[in-house]
Amino acid sequence: DGGITQSPKYLFRKEGQNVTLSCEQNLNHDAMYWYRQDPGQGLRLIYYSQIVNDFQKGDIAEGYSVSREKKESFPLTVTSAQKNPTAFYLCATQLKGVAKNIQYFGAGTRLSVL
Amino acid sequence: RKEVEQDPGPFNVPEGATVAFNCTYSNSASQSFFWYRQDCRKEPKLLMSVYSSGNEDGRFTAQLNRASQYISLLIRDSKLSDSATYLCVVIGTLNTGFQKLVFGTGTRLLVSP
Repeated sequence: DGGITQSPKYLFRKEGQNVTLSCEQNLNHDAMYWYRQDPGQGLRLIYYSQIVNDFQKGDIAEGYSVSREKKESFPLTVTSAQKNPTAFYLCATQLKGVAKNIQYFGAGTRLSVL
Repeated sequence: RKEVEQDPGPFNVPEGATVAFNCTYSNSASQSFFWYRQDCRKEPKLLMSVYSSGNEDGRFTAQLNRASQYISLLIRDSKLSDSATYLCVVIGTLNTGFQKLVFGTGTRLLVSP
C-alpha cells in the first residue's frame, strides 16, 4: 500500500520526556517536511529535508530535532525543551521537479501532554 | 499583515447552493497557489492547483487575481460531502531563501440538507 505512514496516531508525553514521531514514505519522494497545526492556526513548518543526510530548520524548529538517514524515513523528536508540544503533527513529502511544490501529507500524529 | 488571510467562516449553505471563498496573500512574488481540503481531525489533501488562467475541476473553479493578490474557490451544486475546511496555500520564502508553502488558517464550510 503506497503512501506516507505516520505513527503513532496518538501520543502522550510526560513532562521532561523526549518523544519521537515516525514518518515513513514509499513514494520515492525526495523532500520531506514536518509541520505543526494548532487550533485556529495555519500549518507551521518545523523542519524540512530535501535530500538524504541533510535537513534544515523551518520557522519553529526550537525544541525539535530530526534525522534523515534514509530517503524513506524522516523521524521528528519532540524534546523536553519544547514547552508547548500539544498539537497535531503532520509529515509531508514532495517530488522535486515534477508537479512543482505540491506536497502530500500523512494522516498525522496527535501529541498531548500528560 | 499575515502572509495568507482567509475568512474562517463557517459558511453555512444548503445542498445545491453555490459558495465562494476568497484568500488574500501578501507576497506579490508568489508563483504557485493551491487549495487544500481538510476534514475534521484529518490531514490536508490537495483539492486543486490554481493557474493564472483559472482552472475548473468538475464543480470546483479556482481563480487567481494577481493585481489584487487574491485567489478564489467557487463550489457549485454543493454536496453534504463538501463540508470541510478549505486551506489556501501560497509560496513563501524562509530567511534562508528556501521556498516553502504558507498555509492559511482555513475557511470552514458546512453544507446542510
